[in-house]
Amino acid sequence: GNSVTQMEGPVTLSEEAFLTINCTYTATGYPSLFWYVQYPGEGLQLLLKATKADDKGSNKGFEATYRKETTSFHLEKGSVQVSDSAVYFCALSSGSARQLTFGSGTQLTVLP
Amino acid sequence: EAQVTQNPRYLITVTGKKLTVTCSQNMNHEYMSWYRQDPGLGLRQIYYSMNVEVTDKGDVPEGYKVSRKEKRNFPLILESPSPNQTSLYFCASSLWEGQGGNEQFFGPGTRLTVL
Repeated sequence: GNSVTQMEGPVTLSEEAFLTINCTYTATGYPSLFWYVQYPGEGLQLLLKATKADDKGSNKGFEATYRKETTSFHLEKGSVQVSDSAVYFCALSSGSARQLTFGSGTQLTVLP
Repeated sequence: EAQVTQNPRYLITVTGKKLTVTCSQNMNHEYMSWYRQDPGLGLRQIYYSMNVEVTDKGDVPEGYKVSRKEKRNFPLILESPSPNQTSLYFCASSLWEGQGGNEQFFGPGTRLTVL
């Protein structure tokens, strides 16, 4: 079956530091890949996505590239802000039911 | 405003007392889904629906029921809640077209405690 593995958290960074959150996946077929973000007390919001190999998703300074050869979709940002503090979820969608399979989430805290 | 709404947002109940969590979306989405979020486990899908009167089990359907009588509503029913159903629940919806890259829009969540 499908699965998503994310790097363990929590992650604590200083403002303007470089961020990487690792994500690898196992899936049948050709999944679409997503990063969702959950701010405190809120539901999940789509941050970025990629629907085929070598696609790069980007939004709000965050980027992730769909790497089929390494089955990875790592999230990066060059300079984090305090407002980026949230939980980040890697997810994939695959199969006829297009079920979303989520990783366990990575808590990011950015200190001023 | 395009949104997914859930009610109630918070609920404390006792074992065995039937409850319903409502979910409604105003985006005319075909696909709707329920997830539960537990620490260290991410989100796990309970049930999903690809259209009116079409529902199917997700990864953790035991102890839950759903119905899809109208396109906009997708209630989650716990006939006899148990403490292991204490969790944070999210409803989500999306279009049903293309190859599966559609964004799912999430509700604000319902925090359920079963004593």
